[in-house]
Amino acid sequence: DVKVTQSSRYLVKRTGEKVFLECVQDMDHENMFWYRQDPGLGLRLIYFSYDVKMKEKGDIPEGYSVSREKKERFSLILESASTNQTSMYLCASSFQGMETQYFGPGTRLLVL
Amino acid sequence: QKEVEQNSGPLSVPEGAIASLNCTYSDRGSQSFFWYRQYSGKSPELIMSIYSNGDKEDGRFTAQLNKASQYVSLLIRDSQPSDSATYLCAVSRKLTGNQFYFGTGTSLTVIP
Repeated sequence: DVKVTQSSRYLVKRTGEKVFLECVQDMDHENMFWYRQDPGLGLRLIYFSYDVKMKEKGDIPEGYSVSREKKERFSLILESASTNQTSMYLCASSFQGMETQYFGPGTRLLVL
Repeated sequence: QKEVEQNSGPLSVPEGAIASLNCTYSDRGSQSFFWYRQYSGKSPELIMSIYSNGDKEDGRFTAQLNKASQYVSLLIRDSQPSDSATYLCAVSRKLTGNQFYFGTGTSLTVIP
């Protein structure tokens, strides 16, 4: 079974804090993705990576950065958290050339 | 215009009935289409993928694709209360890293 894990299920941070969300997959997938999910807006892609040290902007990269130093790990960084970044964050991974994406359990982030 | 549109529902059907979920997409170049199921508080899980026009059946689920009309649907036969969830339509344009576009989801309730 594919396993995608995320570092926290729930996180509470204060405005201006630097926030790290980590995602680890154990299936040797090349592709990894970070989404946020908000009511009425659905899943929106923040960043994705198709190889170690490679990254591509998704639809809403503003206010976020990412890091992929190892194939199995993809980190999302909120440089200075703001209240409008309160959301559910979902990580996903897939094999290169195969489009099925497998999702982690999600991190519900609250920024106060 | 949104990339992928779904009726948000809620859609209610009695147990044993057929549930019909619909999705339209805007980019004619889209090549791959997916249905994900998301239970409340959980992450999305893939239930069907379809790549060519016509029907694809998997157990009680049938995906239908009509590229000329830019329309994809999911039929659930013999609906069960355990099918109650939000169903997300996803579309891929085959860009680098397999970027997906998700609809906002349709909430389905199966009434016992």
